[in-house]
Amino acid sequence: GENVEQHPSTLSVQEGDSAVIKCTYSDSASNYFPWYKQELGKRPQLIIDIRSNVGEKKDQRIAVTLNKTAKHFSLHITETQPEDSAVYFCAASIGQAGTALIFGKGTTLSVSS
Amino acid sequence: KAGVTQTPRYLIKTRGQQVTLSCSPISGHRSVSWYQQTPGQGLQFLFEYFSETQRNKGNFPGRFSGRQFSNSRSEMNVSTLELGDSALYLCASSPIAGGHLPEQYFGPGTRLTVT
Repeated sequence: GENVEQHPSTLSVQEGDSAVIKCTYSDSASNYFPWYKQELGKRPQLIIDIRSNVGEKKDQRIAVTLNKTAKHFSLHITETQPEDSAVYFCAASIGQAGTALIFGKGTTLSVSS
Repeated sequence: KAGVTQTPRYLIKTRGQQVTLSCSPISGHRSVSWYQQTPGQGLQFLFEYFSETQRNKGNFPGRFSGRQFSNSRSEMNVSTLELGDSALYLCASSPIAGGHLPEQYFGPGTRLTVT
């Protein structure tokens, strides 16, 4: 079945450093790739997303890159801050509309000051 | 606009019982998806409904079912509960507006504990 692999599972950085989380997906038909941030006890929050016809998207300190040929996509966070500490999930869509998502297992990001 | 709401927020059930969870999407959103979140398995897709029809289904047993009403509200039902069904059940709604990305917005979840 469809699968999304996410690495690393934990990531510790110093405030101000960059953080990179990588995902690979298996379904060639996937065309939508969102990233969610989940703080302890809270719901997942969409932080950035990208369509398969776009290679890169940036929003302030966060960016996502997509290599559709290799079925890889990555989240880049620059100038990390303690409030970036959370669990981050990547996801890839299944089905045509893009509204059914297969999630990676998550990356726990810890930013120390 | 009000966000996605889910009821109840917490539920304790006994093995063998059944349970129904409810999700009200953001006004105007016609797609509702359900996910199970556990520490071991992460977020797993259960099913998606659009215009009262199940459009996609994940790899869960038939004990898990759902439906969507004409006002886009959705319910999911789990019959013959097992201990392993203890999890946070999240629903997410999406606008499916033409030309827009299919962003999904999550509700706060229902925490189900099976004893």
